Amino acid sequence: DAGVIQSPRHEVTEMGQEVTLRCKPISGHNSLFWYRQTMMRGLELLIYFNNNVPIDDSGMPEDRFSAKMPNASFSTLKIQPSEPRDSAVYFCASTWTTQGRELFFGEGSRLTVL
Amino acid sequence: KQEVTQIPAALSVPEGENLVLNCSFTDSAIYNLQWFRQDPGKGLTSLLLIQSSQREQTSGRLNASLDKSSGRSTLYIAASQPGDSATYLCAATGGRSGNTGKLIFGQGTTLQVKP
Repeated sequence: DAGVIQSPRHEVTEMGQEVTLRCKPISGHNSLFWYRQTMMRGLELLIYFNNNVPIDDSGMPEDRFSAKMPNASFSTLKIQPSEPRDSAVYFCASTWTTQGRELFFGEGSRLTVL
Repeated sequence: KQEVTQIPAALSVPEGENLVLNCSFTDSAIYNLQWFRQDPGKGLTSLLLIQSSQREQTSGRLNASLDKSSGRSTLYIAASQPGDSATYLCAATGGRSGNTGKLIFGQGTTLQVKP
């Protein structure tokens, strides 16, 4: 079975550039989560969707961050403009809200903003 | 607001030793608690999921317990092996957001098992 698929795995960009991270959840899952991991702050929840609808975006750090889920099999996290402090590993995770809610993670997208 | 704490931050043991990792949470009205493993540069792998109505879950050499009244969970690893070396993360849902799967993570315990 294919797990959660994220792309790109690594991204290096310059400050001010737009960054788009992509996620394909596990087929049949109806909840999707975006997390950010840094050494200083650990894993932080940025936003999550239920049935493609954003439920809680209180973890999104600034207006520079935005996330969309146009359909059940695809989500994007966009940073525009990017800043060096956005450097982190961004994880996407998915689950079923009706079956125990075990959370499955992708391999992450490592972002470096110079 | 749910807060999750893991102690110790790091642990080093000789191969073959049984060990316990600790996790505490502030909001006892959890929906479930999940233990993950993370290898360097990798994503998180789910190890065990304990529903709020359960006291423990077992998978192979791993056993996780849940005590909601004291706000604690433990992950027991039997007969540790060098391949168990990784960071172990505990995550719990907050009571008010429990039915959404929203997990709050601890900072993790980095385990090293020496041959």
